[in-house]
Amino acid sequence: QVQLQESGPGLVKPSQTLSLTCTVSGGSISSGSYYWSWIRQPAGKGLEWIGRIYTSGSTNYNPSLKSRVTISVDTSKNQFSLKLSSVTAADTAVYYCARVRGIPSLNWFDPWGQGTLVTVSS
Amino acid sequence: QSVLTQPPSVSGAPGQRVTISCTGSSSNIGAGYDVHWYQQLPGTAPKLLIYGNSNRPSGVPDRFSGSKSGTSASLAITGLQAEDEADYYCQSYDSSLSGSNVFGTGTKVTVL
Repeated sequence: QVQLQESGPGLVKPSQTLSLTCTVSGGSISSGSYYWSWIRQPAGKGLEWIGRIYTSGSTNYNPSLKSRVTISVDTSKNQFSLKLSSVTAADTAVYYCARVRGIPSLNWFDPWGQGTLVTVSS
Repeated sequence: QSVLTQPPSVSGAPGQRVTISCTGSSSNIGAGYDVHWYQQLPGTAPKLLIYGNSNRPSGVPDRFSGSKSGTSASLAITGLQAEDEADYYCQSYDSSLSGSNVFGTGTKVTVL
């Protein structure tokens, strides 16, 4: 059974770059032709899709974040990563990684990692 | 950036039936894209509840059901139980947002 675990700094200074890694266990990140996604949730608010990556490296990003987001994959480590540049307090949120099921226009997310809280503050 | 609208809250007594609506537009649900539903228990990550409009993953009780019509979708919970108290989110795809996945605004279900 595939499991995902987010890791990275819990505190990032304004204007710096937020960097998170999602480690996939229980299966190869390269098998099954899956996409992999990042999703975030500010405290007390709803979910926001950040972007997705295919194991080939092909990516799609939320247009509202596209200029600041980079998602990459390292198949040798069974990991994929998120970088969000020029962060502000508005980027404070719980960040989740998730496996994408189905083709991009019909996809859903399952399973999810447990989430990691990232606070942007000086 | 929620383009899918849900009621902020719904409530019901144990054993009752509640429904949660998810209203979209012609660029997402109305365009024929599937709707999926997630349950988020307090302090935990979202969990897939319904995929492909009406399909339940293994392990999800048949008290949960989904449907879609036109530009809207619905999640129904029958035989409401205390453990169903959670936030529920719908999710779909929007062709007007460069192929973005979009989530609903979320609904808090309270068991009275």
